[in-house]
Amino acid sequence: KAGVTQTPRYLIKTRGQQVTLSCSPISGHRSVSWYQQTPGQGLQFLFEYFSETQRNKGNFPGRFSGRQFSNSRSEMNVSTLELGDSALYLCASSFSGTVRGDEQYFGPGTRLTVT
Amino acid sequence: QQPVQSPQAVILREGEDAVINCSSSKALYSVHWYRQKHGEAPVFLMILLKGGEQKGHEKISASFNEKKQQSSLYLTASQLSYSGTYFCGTERGDDKIIFGKGTRLHILP
Repeated sequence: KAGVTQTPRYLIKTRGQQVTLSCSPISGHRSVSWYQQTPGQGLQFLFEYFSETQRNKGNFPGRFSGRQFSNSRSEMNVSTLELGDSALYLCASSFSGTVRGDEQYFGPGTRLTVT
Repeated sequence: QQPVQSPQAVILREGEDAVINCSSSKALYSVHWYRQKHGEAPVFLMILLKGGEQKGHEKISASFNEKKQQSSLYLTASQLSYSGTYFCGTERGDDKIIFGKGTRLHILP
């Protein structure tokens, strides 16, 4: 079956702009988690959605938001971009969530560069 | 709250063994191990759940000491394909995985 897909793969934005990233999970998976990966901080949890509801949120400012649609596709939005938001944004899907022992499947990521 | 991984980096020759450790200061529900090769997405290796259940690939072994909040990943008879960065992620039963900063493993032929 098809893996997790993320669009776009690369993005260059200017400080102050906003950006929307998209993630399509593996068919049948209802949980989608988002992570920010940077060389200095590693993989940091942003939030997790399950059946269109945000179940968990990491320690990121309110400029980072997300949503999930009825088909489990998810989007994350970052408003008022800052230089420090430059990172690889990864989404991962699982059947019902990691607390139930489900493995996550990661997408290839979206590389965001803020200038 | 972020788990601590050790060592930060290790270089091995093909065929040698390695152990990567992950420790947390908080009580854990599960520990997750992933490997990421340069320029690629992290790939699932193993989940260790409180109570002893494990899910993962046959060639990978790991342990989870619930009392000490520690986990170790054992890589035996390493192959060139094992190179990459290994991340442990800890979860406290809330569907939120907190990843360590990773252990870089380089296998020499």
